[in-house]
Amino acid sequence: GNSVTQMEGPVTLSEEAFLTINCTYTATGYPSLFWYVQYPGEGLQLLLKATKADDKGSNKGFEATYRKETTSFHLEKGSVQVSDSAVYFCAPGEGGGADGLTFGKGTHLIIQP
Amino acid sequence: KAGVTQTPRYLIKTRGQQVTLSCSPISGHRSVSWYQQTPGQGLQFLFEYFSETQRNKGNFPGRFSGRQFSNSRSEMNVSTLELGDSALYLCASSLGAGLVNTEAFFGQGTRLTVV
Repeated sequence: GNSVTQMEGPVTLSEEAFLTINCTYTATGYPSLFWYVQYPGEGLQLLLKATKADDKGSNKGFEATYRKETTSFHLEKGSVQVSDSAVYFCAPGEGGGADGLTFGKGTHLIIQP
Repeated sequence: KAGVTQTPRYLIKTRGQQVTLSCSPISGHRSVSWYQQTPGQGLQFLFEYFSETQRNKGNFPGRFSGRQFSNSRSEMNVSTLELGDSALYLCASSLGAGLVNTEAFFGQGTRLTVV
């Protein structure tokens, strides 16, 4: 099955700092890649996705590029805000194993004013 | 349109009891997946239902079961509860089967505490 490695944190940054959350994965085939975000007390929401190699997903100032050669999908944002404080999950989509989404442990991001 | 609705939001049960959790997907969505979220293990896939059929199952004991009704609503049941079953149970709905390219919409979850 698929597996995901991402930094767990907590990651603490000051407002307007540059953010990188690393994500590497193993998967059967070439699945779509997703980043989900979980705000306090809520379920997960799709943040962005990329469906094939070299695709860049982007949303709300966040970006991630599908790197097939390094099996990575690192999340970046140029200037974070306090409202970005949340837990971020990297997830390769269902591959040949048909085993649903496989999530990383999640990275807890804390942005201080 | 209404999002994914999970009931109840909070539940406290005693070891050995059983529990049933409910999930109503977004209207028109036919796939419902269930996940268990704990601080130690993160998010783990339980099972997926599509058109009333279990399509996939994660690596959980047989005490965990589920079903889906003709209106796509889904229930999951945990029998003979153990302390380690305390977790946030999340339900996700999607339009089609599988999650290769399909976005999953999550509910707020049911927080189960086993005492």
